[in-house]
Amino acid sequence: NAGVTQTPKFRILKIGQSMTLQCTQDMNHNYMYWYRQDPGMGLKLIYYSVGAGITDKGEVPNGYNVSRSTTEDFPLRLELAAPSQTSVYFCASSYLGGGFRTDTQYFGPGTRLTVL
Amino acid sequence: KNQVEQSPQSLIILEGKNCTLQCNYTVSPFSNLRWYKQDTGRGPVSLTIMTFSENTKSNGRYTATLDADTKQSSLHITASQLSDSASYICVVSGTSGTYKYIFGTGTRLKVLA
Repeated sequence: NAGVTQTPKFRILKIGQSMTLQCTQDMNHNYMYWYRQDPGMGLKLIYYSVGAGITDKGEVPNGYNVSRSTTEDFPLRLELAAPSQTSVYFCASSYLGGGFRTDTQYFGPGTRLTVL
Repeated sequence: KNQVEQSPQSLIILEGKNCTLQCNYTVSPFSNLRWYKQDTGRGPVSLTIMTFSENTKSNGRYTATLDADTKQSSLHITASQLSDSASYICVVSGTSGTYKYIFGTGTRLKVLA
């Protein structure tokens, strides 16, 4: 199993540009998540999905969009990039939700995004 | 407000020494608490998971404790190694069925030779 893969690893955007961060998992997990991690801060949930076709907002969804057309893929779309979106983005997946003791989140390697 | 606070923010120790990291939370109702290790430039990896009824959980040289009454947890690292240099993140989840993982800001540990 490759686990959770993310592309690209690094990206520099100009203000106002758009891009899609790709995330794929091969563990047949139901739940998928997008987080951002700013320096010295905890991970903040952007969007999550409990299954194909179902997505919902997390704590910091403004400026982002997601879709979940398949179990495996959960892309994150940035529209009109702003400097405040400079961060490291992590995709994660799990079979169950966080309230279940047996649930384990698996994280991708992250995408480091800079908006100039 | 559900929060997870960790201390210290950063810590430097010599190889072979022990250390203890702290986590206080206000998440209610509580379901479980996890400790993650995050190496520089990598995603977090789960070390331990504890529920309300578990006081201690070990994973090799890592031992986590939980006091659900005082809402405190600690992660003790024994005989530290250079490879233990990383950020350690405390993560708390609410009641069963919710998606939510609430992340602390982490403790950055540096182990020196």
